[in-house]
Amino acid sequence: QVQLVQSGAEVKKPGASVKLSCKASEYTFTNYYMHWVRQAPGQGLAWLGIINPSGGGTAYAQKFRGRLTMTRDTSTSTVYMEMSSLRSDDTAVYYCSRSPLSGTGDFDSWGQGTLVTVSS
Amino acid sequence: QSALTQPASVSGSPGQSITISCTGTSSDVGNYNLVSWYQQHPGKAPKLIISEVSKRPSGVSNRFSGSKSGNTASLKISGLQAEDEGDYYCCSYAGSSTFEFGGGTKLTVL
Repeated sequence: QVQLVQSGAEVKKPGASVKLSCKASEYTFTNYYMHWVRQAPGQGLAWLGIINPSGGGTAYAQKFRGRLTMTRDTSTSTVYMEMSSLRSDDTAVYYCSRSPLSGTGDFDSWGQGTLVTVSS
Repeated sequence: QSALTQPASVSGSPGQSITISCTGTSSDVGNYNLVSWYQQHPGKAPKLIISEVSKRPSGVSNRFSGSKSGNTASLKISGLQAEDEGDYYCCSYAGSSTFEFGGGTKLTVL
């Protein structure tokens, strides 16, 4: 079945950058958008951004524009999310999730999540 | 502060029905039939339970149903079961390839 496998937990200092990966398998990588969603401890879900694996086009939530970059490698069916200028409130579990290119916006499969801890 | 407003908590007894609201604006919920709902259990990734306002993905119980009126979408869970306890989130397309989540609702089955 569809699998989205994310990279392992990260611990970063304030001001640093982090780059997470999400490797897709068991479906056609370029037929689905990939999103990144995060969840701070005890908090709700927050949508961060989207990448079209086919052409590489991206869109980001306004709050994160300027310090968020999403890329993809079609040869390995992997998407990446890099966040810079990390702050303590960026501590969260980060999920990747796919949605159909048809534009329905249904996040029908999710990665297992990656915990990013930002602490001095 | 989330763009979509949900009640922080709801509760119900087994067998009862509950409804969770998700209020947005004419720029998101009111303008697109692209509202989805997710169930999340502690320590787990969210699970899609309703897509495009009212469609149920394969394998999701027919006790879950969705609707929308104006700027407010709703999730109804009928015949509450203990396993329904968890957090529920709405999500809406907001234009320009962006999406928004609600703040989440904690469902307690009494």
